[in-house]
Amino acid sequence: EPEVTQTPSHQVTQMGQEVILRCVPISNHLYFYWYRQILGQKVEFLVSFYNNEISEKSEIFDDQFSVERPDGSNFTLKIRSTKLEDSAMYFCASSAGTGNEKLFFGSGTQLSVL
Amino acid sequence: DQQVKQNSPSLSVQEGRISILNCDYTNSMFDYFLWYKKYPAEGPTFLISISSIKDKNEDGRFTVFLNKSAKHLSLHIVPSQPGDSAVYFCAASEAAGSARQLTFGSGTQLTVLP
Repeated sequence: EPEVTQTPSHQVTQMGQEVILRCVPISNHLYFYWYRQILGQKVEFLVSFYNNEISEKSEIFDDQFSVERPDGSNFTLKIRSTKLEDSAMYFCASSAGTGNEKLFFGSGTQLSVL
Repeated sequence: DQQVKQNSPSLSVQEGRISILNCDYTNSMFDYFLWYKKYPAEGPTFLISISSIKDKNEDGRFTVFLNKSAKHLSLHIVPSQPGDSAVYFCAASEAAGSARQLTFGSGTQLTVLP
């Protein structure tokens, strides 16, 4: 079964540093997403992306965050200047975009900001 | 923001018995509901979904019931198996094109005892 893959599985960074989290969505999917889960909290929506532009974003997704689809397969989340509170598990997801369809999630990248 | 609530953080059932996981929502604009299962160190895995035009959807051992007037849905697993032990998340979505921004509940840890 096709799956969403995320790299790295763990990322440790110093506060103020830039990080890029990488994702390879399922190949024929059209919609891409980033979610995150802070330890002990709910899974929260960050951003959705379609046709090379952001479709929706949450209040969490401020100017420190950006997303990009640099080629035909990768989808990245960049955090420009990380803060301690950015420490979380970040999940990438994709969907076919045909209507009421399910989102497929990757295994996540655990980001730790020190 | 408690638009989707799972009031039971944990549930234990005996193998072979029925597991019933509950979820309540407050946003009447939600029109699509999903259940995801999550194992440690993995991303959420889609289980089953239901559109607001239905009140029941069944897939093998999993059945989701939707009561729109009560803004309540439940997931029934029968018979329960030890491999079903995981965190179960309820998620909901408004009609927002095909870019599905999901609002998650806080999850219920299901433990199926052999």
